Amino acid sequence: EVQLVESGGGLVQPGRSLRLSCAASGFTFDDYVMVWVRQVPGKGLEWVSRISWNSGIIDYADSVKGRFTISRDNAKNSLYLQMNSLRVEDMALYYCAKGRDSSGYDAFDIWGQGTMVTVSS
Amino acid sequence: QSVLTQPPSVSGAPGQRVTISCTGSSSNLGTGYDVHWYQQLPGTAPKLLIFGNSNRPSGVPDRFSGSKSGTSASLAITGLQAEDEADYYCQSYDGSLSGSIFGGGTKLTVL
Repeated sequence: EVQLVESGGGLVQPGRSLRLSCAASGFTFDDYVMVWVRQVPGKGLEWVSRISWNSGIIDYADSVKGRFTISRDNAKNSLYLQMNSLRVEDMALYYCAKGRDSSGYDAFDIWGQGTMVTVSS
Repeated sequence: QSVLTQPPSVSGAPGQRVTISCTGSSSNLGTGYDVHWYQQLPGTAPKLLIFGNSNRPSGVPDRFSGSKSGTSASLAITGLQAEDEADYYCQSYDGSLSGSIFGGGTKLTVL
């Protein structure tokens, strides 16, 4: 079964760090672009970051650039998001998703269930 | 303010046809980047509904169709069913932002 399972969310104080993980199974992980998308409860989807199959291409939304770092370990079929200097506005449900191909321009065809990040003092 | 503009809400009676628009600009849809559509049922993760402007993944009913022209795209749903009540999002790539973008989402209410 094709599956993505996120973990690592939780409650964190403003200015602190958190690392999210996404475990992939059921497909050839290193063939595809992977992305992080977040959603404030009750609000819309916001693309956060993408990483190409070989980590050669990495992009970030302006809202997280310089604070978040995306990475992947193809040997472990895992995607990560290191979030530093967290702000209240980063509080959201974070989804990892799989690109349909390796281009980064295509749709996201597999989504995890999300992991909630709460930023509060 | 989303880069892709969608109406906040649409509604229709069972059996009717509704359309959801998605308006972009010269740096995304107008450049030729494809538009994709997602359905998000309450409390669940988004599900890919249409990719590459008008293609349906396996398992998506043919009641759902997509189209794109210039800087605009639309999702059409025919034969509305109660189970179609959900939030719908368009998505594309923006060359100026060097990243993917989503519309603000449209809530579909089946009357």
